[in-house]
Amino acid sequence: AQTVTQSQPEMSVQEAETVTLSCTYDTSENNYYLFWYKQPPSRQMILVIRQEAYKQQNATENRFSVNFQKAAKSFSLKISDSQLGDTAMYFCAFSTWFGNEKLTFGTGTRLTIIP
Amino acid sequence: GAGVSQSPRYKVTKRGQDVTLRCDPISSHATLYWYQQALGQGPEFLTYFNYEAQPDKSGLPSDRFSAERPEGSISTLTIQRTEQRDSAMYRCASSLDGSRDTQYFGPGTRLTVL
Repeated sequence: AQTVTQSQPEMSVQEAETVTLSCTYDTSENNYYLFWYKQPPSRQMILVIRQEAYKQQNATENRFSVNFQKAAKSFSLKISDSQLGDTAMYFCAFSTWFGNEKLTFGTGTRLTIIP
Repeated sequence: GAGVSQSPRYKVTKRGQDVTLRCDPISSHATLYWYQQALGQGPEFLTYFNYEAQPDKSGLPSDRFSAERPEGSISTLTIQRTEQRDSAMYRCASSLDGSRDTQYFGPGTRLTVL
């Protein structure tokens, strides 16, 4: 079974600064997907970024980028030039390449951007 | 539709009552998922559908929980004889065609069992 661990329950950072959220996972699979989802106070669940394990290049989406270290099973999210709207709960998630369709989520990191 | 929709958004019920939650996925999305999210936790998988087939229901906590998707579009999640421990956010997600495609989540149904 796959597991996802987020070791930082809460973080805070000043507006415009850069922050990195950590995520590690455990799997015996070679091909899989990793995701970061954002849950703002509205409690919507919004996809931030997605990484395919077979791709060596780290995914980026505007101010959001990941550091994917496959051998270390690490998948951190970097938010640059943080904005007040980035305040949210952030969940790291894992999905297998095929077969079992489910997303396995970590316990989340509550990020607060301080004005 | 433009996004995944769920109804009702909030449901308060008394212990022992049955409840049915509804999910309307993004049109043309073949795969539909149900998750349960306790307060302060990440969502946990309950079950999923490929069209009307239900290949995996291993996450359903007990036989009081069941889900349907009879025509391969709208799905319902039914909880019979609700218990206080069933109180949670129930989230639906859909994807175009399975695990290789991103799951898009609905707003969730907040269930409170008194």
